[in-house]
Amino acid sequence: GEDVEQSLFLSVREGDSSVINCTYTDSSSTYLYWYKQEPGAGLQLLTYIFSNMDMKQDQRLTVLLNKKDKHLSLRIADTQTGDSAIYFCAESSRSSASKIIFGSGTRLSIRP
Amino acid sequence: SQTIHQWPVTLVQPVGSPLSLECTVEGTSNPNLYWYRQAAGRGLQLLFYSVGIGQISSEVPQNLSASRPQDRQFILSSKKLLLSDSGFYLCAWGTGLTDTQYFGPGTRLTVL
Repeated sequence: GEDVEQSLFLSVREGDSSVINCTYTDSSSTYLYWYKQEPGAGLQLLTYIFSNMDMKQDQRLTVLLNKKDKHLSLRIADTQTGDSAIYFCAESSRSSASKIIFGSGTRLSIRP
Repeated sequence: SQTIHQWPVTLVQPVGSPLSLECTVEGTSNPNLYWYRQAAGRGLQLLFYSVGIGQISSEVPQNLSASRPQDRQFILSSKKLLLSDSGFYLCAWGTGLTDTQYFGPGTRLTVL
C-alpha cells in the first residue's frame, strides 16, 4: 500500500544546515510535497517537486529526489529559530484523484 | 488570491453533544475539499473529501459526517461527540491540477 515514512525528531544547531529525510512507497506518485506546521497552526505548503525532477531549490530550501531509492529530502540552509516546526513529507496518491498521503512529521528543534 | 477560513478556532464540548465545524474557501471555484484530524500534534488522518457539491467520500468509519451545501463550503458534523473525537481539525482545499492542498488554520476541539 501507500506509505510515507519520516524520522520523528531532528535537532540542529542554529546556523547549521538541517536535512529532513523521507521515504515513500508509491513509485507512480506524480508529486511529492513538503509542508511545515508551526505550533497551533495549520499546514503551510513549503514546496513540491514533480516526479521527473531530481532537485528543486528555493532560497534556503533544497529538495532532492532519488526516484530509484524512493527517497526525498529537504535541506534548510542556515537554520534559524523560526524554522522550528513539524515538517511533513507527502506524496500524491494513485488510488484516488487529488488525495495525498502524509508522513507522520519530523519535529525540528533548533539549539543555540 | 485564495483564502480558506475555519471556525470556530477552539471549541470545548461535553460528551454526547452535537458538533458543527465550518470551512469556507474564497477566491476559487469548484475546489476539492478535505477534512483531516490531527491527534497530539502528529500525523494527519483524512476523514472526508469532496470533489463537488453533494459529493462526499468517507475515509474512515466514525460518528462524524460531512456535507457540502455550497461549492466553497464544507461542514463537519456529529450528532453525539465522543471523548476520542478530541483533536485538531484541519480543512484543506485543492485544485486537482497538481494535487497540492492548502490548509486552513484549524479548529482545536476538546471533548470533556
